[in-house]
Amino acid sequence: KAGVTQTPRYLIKTRGQQVTLSCSPISGHRSVSWYQQTPGQGLQFLFEYFSETQRNKGNFPGRFSGRQFSNSRSEMNVSTLELGDSALYLCASSDRASNTGELFFGEGSRLTVL
Amino acid sequence: KNEVEQSPQNLTAQEGEFITINCSYSVGISALHWLQQHPGGGIVSLFMLSSGKKKHGRLIATINIQEKHSSLHITASHPRDSAVYICVGGTSYGKLTFGQGTILTVHP
Repeated sequence: KAGVTQTPRYLIKTRGQQVTLSCSPISGHRSVSWYQQTPGQGLQFLFEYFSETQRNKGNFPGRFSGRQFSNSRSEMNVSTLELGDSALYLCASSDRASNTGELFFGEGSRLTVL
Repeated sequence: KNEVEQSPQNLTAQEGEFITINCSYSVGISALHWLQQHPGGGIVSLFMLSSGKKKHGRLIATINIQEKHSSLHITASHPRDSAVYICVGGTSYGKLTFGQGTILTVHP
């Protein structure tokens, strides 16, 4: 069974641009959750999608958004990029909601904002 | 105040030692995940538990619901166990809160 796939793995953007990251979950998993990891703040929960519906959202500004498609693939978008958005963005999939099921993480997308 | 508190933040051990990492959490958290992150970023889920004890190889995780406390134990530690260990609390409505992480270094 293929694992969780995140694309792109690395990207560089400039302030003010927008970025879209993609996450393909393990086949059969309906939950995809997104996380931001920075040296200063550690891992923080962004949002979770379950069966195409946003189930939960962390404390991030509206510039951070996401969606989930009918095949459970998910995308997250960050608009009007700021320097502080430079981070490793991780997604995880689960066969149940993230608070009750085992999480399977992708390798992450490392975003650098210049 | 974070809803999930881990200790210690840094832990150094000699190969073969028994290691314990602790996690305390607040009211409302109904499930605990233990994650392992190696240098380079890859994260592996070690355990998800809401009661009792789970064991996988040299790793044991316990949770005490009444005391709102969980521990991760590593028996016969090995240098390949060197990683960051993260405790994650999940509420019944799906919010996840991360502990600060414990940096474990096991010397040969």
